[in-house]
Amino acid sequence: QQPVQSPQAVILREGEDAVINCSSSKALYSVHWYRQKHGEAPVFLMILLKGGEQKGHDKISASFNEKKQQSSLYLTASQLSYSGTYFCGTEITAGNTPLVFGKGTRLSVIA
Amino acid sequence: DGGITQSPKYLFRKEGQNVTLSCEQNLNHDAMYWYRQDPGQGLRLIYYSQIVNDFQKGDIAEGYSVSREKKESFPLTVTSAQKNPTAFYLCASSMVQGVHTGELFFGEGSRLTVL
Repeated sequence: QQPVQSPQAVILREGEDAVINCSSSKALYSVHWYRQKHGEAPVFLMILLKGGEQKGHDKISASFNEKKQQSSLYLTASQLSYSGTYFCGTEITAGNTPLVFGKGTRLSVIA
Repeated sequence: DGGITQSPKYLFRKEGQNVTLSCEQNLNHDAMYWYRQDPGQGLRLIYYSQIVNDFQKGDIAEGYSVSREKKESFPLTVTSAQKNPTAFYLCASSMVQGVHTGELFFGEGSRLTVL
């Protein structure tokens, strides 16, 4: 039931783009994205609900493909502050069920 | 400022001892959660509660216990029955809104080490 994230780790230079994928074996109702910096609590980025919408703020956006049971997080023109571990959290049914998180993708942005 | 407070931040325990991790929130959220984080494993759900005096087991509840006597508080006890308790523990809360889980707000975490 745990969603699968890919890649496990990625290293970027400042200004480069990255895509992080989150795939589920079950139909998804919603997908959350969080970023956790080393030694800190995860911080919410965005929620995508069933319906295939795309969301974004600043240079970070995400899509949700219901048919493929997959969500992708897009980081454009990466900055040093984007470094951290990104987690997707999935909800497979409606009804405020707890999120099931993937194992995370470690993103390192270097100058 | 509203938020979630976890204590202690670091805790050392001898084998065979029970320990209790505190989690308090002043966000007026109905739902509270405990997750365990191990390197390379992501966040795994231990227990959650959506209303006072009610809670449900998560995927890895064995060796843990919780209570929810007040809306603001959701303490986690790590018992001696937990075989591998050394980990980073995260408490979170969210509003119960509509039909989907709302944004999770996390505490700073408690790092438990068993000596």
